[in-house]
Amino acid sequence: SAVISQKPSRDICQRGTSLTIQCQVDSQVTMMFWYRQQPGQSLTLIATANQGSEATYESGFVIDKFPISRPNLTFSTLTVSNMSPEDSSIYLCSVDRGGRETQYFGPGTRLLVL
Amino acid sequence: TQLLEQSPQFLSIQEGENLTVYCNSSSVFSSLQWYRQEPGEGPVLLVTVVTGGEVKKLKRLTFQFGDARKDSSLHITAAQTGDTGLYLCAGARNGGYNKLIFGAGTRLAVHP
Repeated sequence: SAVISQKPSRDICQRGTSLTIQCQVDSQVTMMFWYRQQPGQSLTLIATANQGSEATYESGFVIDKFPISRPNLTFSTLTVSNMSPEDSSIYLCSVDRGGRETQYFGPGTRLLVL
Repeated sequence: TQLLEQSPQFLSIQEGENLTVYCNSSSVFSSLQWYRQEPGEGPVLLVTVVTGGEVKKLKRLTFQFGDARKDSSLHITAAQTGDTGLYLCAGARNGGYNKLIFGAGTRLAVHP
């Protein structure tokens, strides 16, 4: 498994501002993933972040809105830019460890945009 | 397009009852994972199944992967209040890229 931490754990933000979410893993991993979980919903993949290359975004998500950094093998950030109330969600990072396509998740960042 | 259909969406039962959650698709997956998520936390991995027809048991939880690797089920025997949570299935396609596709989730409430 993997120990994953996220900062902040929750935040309340004003519309039009940006928030950067950090994800730290206790060991080196090749792939890190960012998900969004809207209230009462399942998880939707935003992008995959590999160290040393640009993130790969899923349909419906763009780099200008959700810029991602992956400076090393244990850390990544996701920025939610120019926020609106529709961005109120839980944002989760996960890592791929142990083969067999298994992913382990961080505790999530709960974002409320007013 | 929802590639993984998960049912039921909601389940409210009494302690001691049995239940089954289903995850179905028309697509083949190289592996399928089940997670449980409690309020305020991230999803926690319960099991990964990779072989068609595979059955895995985790105490009172039994997981099955369909022979054709298109469907899976989670059966809980004698449910307890601690089983309450959101159960998510997630399928991986074309191993190597490791991208997961999640079902819509089953919200289980077990009452004393």
